[in-house]
Order: sequence, then structure tokens, then C-alpha cells
Amino acid sequence: GAGVSQSPSNKVTEKGKDVELRCDPISGHTALYWYRQSLGQGLEFLIYFQGNSAPDKSGLPSDRFSAERTGGSVSTLTIQRTQQEDSAVYLCASSLVGRGNQETQYFGPGTRLLVL
Amino acid sequence: AQSVTQPDIHITVSEGASLELRCNYSYGATPYLFWYVQSPGQGLQLLLKYFSGDTLVQGIKGFEAEFKRSQSSFNLRKPSVHWSDAAEYFCAVGLNTGGFKTIFGAGTRLFVKA
Repeated sequence: GAGVSQSPSNKVTEKGKDVELRCDPISGHTALYWYRQSLGQGLEFLIYFQGNSAPDKSGLPSDRFSAERTGGSVSTLTIQRTQQEDSAVYLCASSLVGRGNQETQYFGPGTRLLVL
Repeated sequence: AQSVTQPDIHITVSEGASLELRCNYSYGATPYLFWYVQSPGQGLQLLLKYFSGDTLVQGIKGFEAEFKRSQSSFNLRKPSVHWSDAAEYFCAVGLNTGGFKTIFGAGTRLFVKA
């Protein structure tokens, strides 16, 4: 595709429900990243996938958050038992090689999550 | 601990005026440095990046940034701002820890007045 796509663009859910957010990276990009952007905050790193390596989950805020990447392409971020503080914009990015510190990350438009 | 500070939450400049957005980082070694821009309803777009070499880096849309090791700064500049530059700007630091970690600043929102 032309860029990183994310779906849905907006999601409203009730507290306690589970949500799944999807990310389609740029074709051929081996690295995929998830970030959270809360109102008035910078980007908070959540998780990083690189090829077949074990993902770096060091940024996940709690065990209610998980992510998987199937077939080295599409990724799903799952938030279980959502809380109001989970409300944020969830951004996905991909990069070509995954030397994350050096490679340019291409960002999707984000999914805006609102937990009522 | 590593950190990125953007001291200005928001800045307002007149169209045609010059712009400087400040960014300071805290890290023991020389980091990789980035500036991203986020326009309303858009994803983040890379403006420029510094890895090594010339400390003055040119980016897209007429932006440039200068790495000053002594000040741990990587300020973004533009000589003449256009109304379309109104957006939020994020400074980011890539840490060479043998693994991936990029830390973003909280962002500076730029308003441009006619």
C-alpha cells in the first residue's frame, strides 16, 4: 500500500469491554511499532516487532495490553477490560529495516479510542 | 534516565516570521535525533534526522535543525513560516542501546497568525 493504514479510525467503547486495533504496515517493512498518544502528551512507546524476533514489550502499561503480528505483516493491538485512562490515540508505525534508532518510521493516521 | 524536553507547549508566530522550536535531551551518549510534524488529522511525518556528520541538518518544507552537543539541544528552525506550517512538532531521540528505543518529547503546537 501507499502508507501505513490503521482501523478503525475512531472507536468508542464502554469501560470493561475489550477492543482490537489493527495496523497494516507498508509492504516490505520488517519493523512495526505501536505508540500511544494521550491528550497533551508526547508519544508513549508500547511495543516493537522486528522480523521474527521476539517483540519488545517493555512499553506496555499493563497486562491488559497485548499485541501480535501475524505473518510478519498486519498487527493487532488488543486492550482487555478497557479503562477510561486508556482513552488516547493509538499510533502505528513501520520502518524498512528495523534499526529503529536510525531508520525512518512511517506513521499511520492513528485510531482514536474513547472509553466511556 | 533518558528524556526529551520541549519547553514550549505552544508557540504563535506571524506568517513570514522566523521560527525556532526548542528541544533538549538527556542521554549519556550521542543519540540519533529526529523532528516529526503532525498536522491535524494526519499521521506523523518525518521532517529531518541527525545521525552523525554535519551538525546542521536540512529537512523537508524548508526546515533545518542544528545539533549542539554542548547544550544537548536539537532546535528546529525555519526562516519564514507559512500558514500551512501550523501543526504539532515532536522532537525524538533514538537510543543506541543495542535494541530499539525512541523517546518522543511532549510536542510543541505551532499557531500561525496572518
